[in-house]
Amino acid sequence: DTEVTQTPKHLVMGMTNKKSLKCEQHMGHRAMYWYKQKAKKPPELMFVYSYEKLSINESVPSRFSPECPNSSLLNLHLHALQPEDSALYLCASSQDLSGTGRTEAFFGQGTRLTVV
Amino acid sequence: AQKITQTQPGMFVQEKEAVTLDCTYDTSDQSYGLFWYKQPSSGEMIFLIYQGSYDEQNATEGRYSLNFQKARKSANLVISASQLGDSAMYFCAMRESPYNQGGKLIFGQGTELSVKP
Repeated sequence: DTEVTQTPKHLVMGMTNKKSLKCEQHMGHRAMYWYKQKAKKPPELMFVYSYEKLSINESVPSRFSPECPNSSLLNLHLHALQPEDSALYLCASSQDLSGTGRTEAFFGQGTRLTVV
Repeated sequence: AQKITQTQPGMFVQEKEAVTLDCTYDTSDQSYGLFWYKQPSSGEMIFLIYQGSYDEQNATEGRYSLNFQKARKSANLVISASQLGDSAMYFCAMRESPYNQGGKLIFGQGTELSVKP
């Protein structure tokens, strides 16, 4: 099973709303990622969790708050977003970060977020 | 800092023909991994092929092969016998060692491939 599941698939939220994106994997992977992707652009790394601890925060605004409750789950809490935050949010997981061996990242289908 | 360059924003190929998508990279690390992903319009990033910096042979996965030229720092993707379902955005990506950049997976700008019937 090489599946990463993201919910919801689509989300429309107002600038004063609070919402959460969810990501789940059951491959035993110990590294999980959030990426943001604008149309026709490459994914931009936001956060990396390694063994359930935040290891990389790419200077993401505090209106995005990641959480890793356990080794299978990754959440992204959203609050007071701006219209320019509208994008495809991709979650990914990989075995770990311990080397550059074949530790490919497996991606979910993403959440298409629209901020109105 | 690591950098990935894909110089072909868009490409067309006739069905059943082979196509090469270019990727060059820049890193000061000796240990790194190179990856190619396919992203259809549905949005999911699909892993295609991997090449390690110490691998002496070019990687192959079915119709996909990676032309790895380490001295030139290039890792071009070759798709043989193109199919209509190959129409998608293709991203080259690199991961350096975890001791440098924390093992981040960084993507190039992508190449949009269109397969013509």
